[in-house]
This record gives sequence, C-alpha cells and structure tokens, in this order.
Amino acid sequence: GQQVMQIPQYQHVQEGEDFTTYCNSSTTLSNIQWYKQRPGGHPVFLIQLVKSGEVKKQKRLTFQFGEAKKNSSLHITATQTTDVGTYFCAGNVQGGSEKLVFGKGTKLTVNP
Amino acid sequence: DGGITQSPKYLFRKEGQNVTLSCEQNLNHDAMYWYRQDPGQGLRLIYYSQIVNDFQKGDIAEGYSVSREKKESFPLTVTSAQKNPTAFYLCASSTRDYRYNEQFFGPGTRLTVL
Repeated sequence: GQQVMQIPQYQHVQEGEDFTTYCNSSTTLSNIQWYKQRPGGHPVFLIQLVKSGEVKKQKRLTFQFGEAKKNSSLHITATQTTDVGTYFCAGNVQGGSEKLVFGKGTKLTVNP
Repeated sequence: DGGITQSPKYLFRKEGQNVTLSCEQNLNHDAMYWYRQDPGQGLRLIYYSQIVNDFQKGDIAEGYSVSREKKESFPLTVTSAQKNPTAFYLCASSTRDYRYNEQFFGPGTRLTVL
C-alpha cells in the first residue's frame, strides 16, 4: 500500500542545536504537509508544499519538497524548548484517493 | 468562532459496551476523518467521508462504524467488536481541493475501556 516513511522516530537535542526530520514516499505525491503535535495536544498544520523542489521558511523552520516529489524534510535551526513535540509529514498520492497518508512522526525532545 | 469540536475529552466505558464519540465542525468542510493514535504512535485512519451520506473505510475500520447524515457532524461508534479500543481518537476536517486540504483537528477524545 501507499506508505510515507519518516525518520528518525525520536530525536533528542540540546537547546540551540539544529534538528532535521525526513519524509520519504514510495510513490509520487501531489503535495506534502507538515504538522506539529505538542505533548497531550492534537496535530496542528504548519505548512504545505506543492511544487517540485519547493523550499519554504517559517522563522527558524525550513521545509523542502524534493525534485521528484517523493521526499521532504523539515529543518529547525537553533532549537528551543518550545519546539518540543512530534512532527508529522503527510501527503496526497498523485492520482490516488483524496485521503492524506501520514508518516509515523518524529518525536523531538529538547534539553534546556 | 470557527473550529472543530469533539466531546467528551475523556471517556470511560466497560468492556462489551458500544460508545459513540462526537465530532462537529463549523468550517463548512466537505471532508471529515477519524484517526486513532496509540502512545508513541502515529495517526491511523479509521474512516473518512468526503461528502454527506458517503464514507469509506480507512486502514483500521474493523470494530468501528460511522455516519455522515449532516455536513457538520461525523460521529464514530466504537463497538464491542473492537479488540483494543483504549486509545486517543482524533477527528479532523478539510476541504477536498488538494491545494488547500490541510486538516483541522479537534482536541481529541481519550477513551479508556475498563
């Protein structure tokens, strides 16, 4: 079936270090979305990328969509304790059903 | 105040009982979804609906049922046939246009079956 793999599953960093999570799909995606779920909370939409090779920035967060539209990454520069949470990628399979396929997420913990 | 609501926040049930989780949205979204999340796990799709009076099974539909009689509402029933019902249940809604189909999640219901 359609799968979106996300690595690493867990990442622990010292405050101020950078963090990157990677998302890989077995099939071409129409789009890629990123969500953040704080501990005890619900996922919140961060951003969507649609174009091949697209790069978007939100303050310390940089999102990339691969040229082949099969992979994506989220990079956080100089992590802060407020970045703690689980980051999920999700995408619509090109030519597939309308449901989003979610990765299993990367849980980020930040040591102050 | 637009959004998506779920109730209750916490729910306790005895084994063998059916239970219905509520999900309501006033975002005028056509699509609605139910996910299950277990500790340390990702989101697993239970059911989704793209239009009123229509819904499709997700990846783990066994032991669950849904209805979509109104655009605003998508209740989920956890039946006694679900073998491990204790989990965090999340409802979401979105438009159907893939260019703008980010999902808006409700606060979730934590179901514990004793």
